[in-house]
Amino acid sequence: GDSVTQMEGPVTLSEEAFLTINCTYTATGYPSLFWYVQYPGEGLQLLLKATKADDKGSNKGFEATYRKETTSFHLEKGSVQVSDSAVYFCALIYGGATNKLIFGTGTLLAVQP
Amino acid sequence: NAGVTQTPKFQVLKTGQSMTLQCAQDMNHEYMSWYRQDPGMGLRLIHYSVGAGITDQGEVPNGYNVSRSTTEDFPLRLLSAAPSQTSVYFCASSYGTGLAGYTFGSGTRLTVV
Repeated sequence: GDSVTQMEGPVTLSEEAFLTINCTYTATGYPSLFWYVQYPGEGLQLLLKATKADDKGSNKGFEATYRKETTSFHLEKGSVQVSDSAVYFCALIYGGATNKLIFGTGTLLAVQP
Repeated sequence: NAGVTQTPKFQVLKTGQSMTLQCAQDMNHEYMSWYRQDPGMGLRLIHYSVGAGITDQGEVPNGYNVSRSTTEDFPLRLLSAAPSQTSVYFCASSYGTGLAGYTFGSGTRLTVV
């Protein structure tokens, strides 16, 4: 079945370091891809998305490119801040009558000052 | 503020007790869903609804019931609580196909002793 695989955490970085969180997916068609972020004690928030191959989603300095050839959607940020400390979830969805969102297991990012 | 409201935020139950987790949204979203979040397992879909009067099972439906009598409300009922149901529960809603992203509630932390 459809699934999402993320790199395991925690990922610990110093402030201003470069961030990459790997995400790959398995799907029978062409899903839309998402990154959600969960700050401590809160629900999930949509961070960015891409709906077709080669699309680049971006928000708050984060970027991810939909790579069909490698079935990947890696999250990157050039310079992380302490406030970016959170759990990041990669997810996929097929639109239509049953638009279920399928999540990866999440990656905890801890940014130290 | 528009969004998804979940109540209660915290709950402790004894094994065998029943309870209802409430979820309400005021965005006129057709699609609503319930997820549980467990360490190392990401978010798993329990039940979902594509509109009032229509519900269906997700990945882990056993031990839970849902109903959707109105567009706004989507309660989750635990019939006979078990320690394996200790988790954080999130309600989410989306408009149409969900490609614009889901809106999540802030979660209910449930402990079954």
